[in-house]
Amino acid sequence: NAGVMQNPRHLVRRRGQEARLRCSPMKGHSHVYWYRQLPEEGLKFMVYLQKENIIDESGMPKERFSAEFPKEGPSILRIQQVVRGDSAAYFCASSPGAVGSPLHFGNGTRLTVT
Amino acid sequence: AQKITQTQPGMFVQEKEAVTLDCTYDTSDPSYGLFWYKQPSSGEMIFLIYQGSYDQQNATEGRYSLNFQKARKSANLVISASQLGDSAMYFCAMREVYSGGGADGLTFGKGTHLIIQP
Repeated sequence: NAGVMQNPRHLVRRRGQEARLRCSPMKGHSHVYWYRQLPEEGLKFMVYLQKENIIDESGMPKERFSAEFPKEGPSILRIQQVVRGDSAAYFCASSPGAVGSPLHFGNGTRLTVT
Repeated sequence: AQKITQTQPGMFVQEKEAVTLDCTYDTSDPSYGLFWYKQPSSGEMIFLIYQGSYDQQNATEGRYSLNFQKARKSANLVISASQLGDSAMYFCAMREVYSGGGADGLTFGKGTHLIIQP
């Protein structure tokens, strides 16, 4: 049973380019979460999605960031016109949804903006 | 106010000793869950242990146990017989049923960097 798969593992973008981060949840999991981790800090919630629906995007910056979880295929976190401050580790997690079930995390995508 | 507070930014412990990592939380929800995750230097987030707010007994998973003191809103992680491979960042997290914290997601503390010395 494969875990949460994120790709790419490392992503380097120049300022102004677009970054696309992909996440395939664990089999049977319909809840997907994106978190951002800055150096020496904990994870900060960004967005929570179920298939074809954004449930909560209260942690997403208002501009340049978007997320989707289509009916088919992985969840995508998209950052347009990246800036140096976007450099961070971005983690995707999935869960079956019950309160007591832990979120299972992928290995993260480390985005570096040069 | 912070929802999850981890007061120990870093800890050094001798191999084979027991370790207690502190975590206090703040919520008005009657129903919530508490989680601990380990993040080694390789970067992945590894789930360790879960405690539900209505659980009567402290959770245990192998060498990990959670010292849950509900009245004090504390959920300390105890690692027995520490090993060199336990060196990592440890994060306490909470999931609130009604208040959100990412609408069913987790709110994380800032973490404790644990270093096990031989």
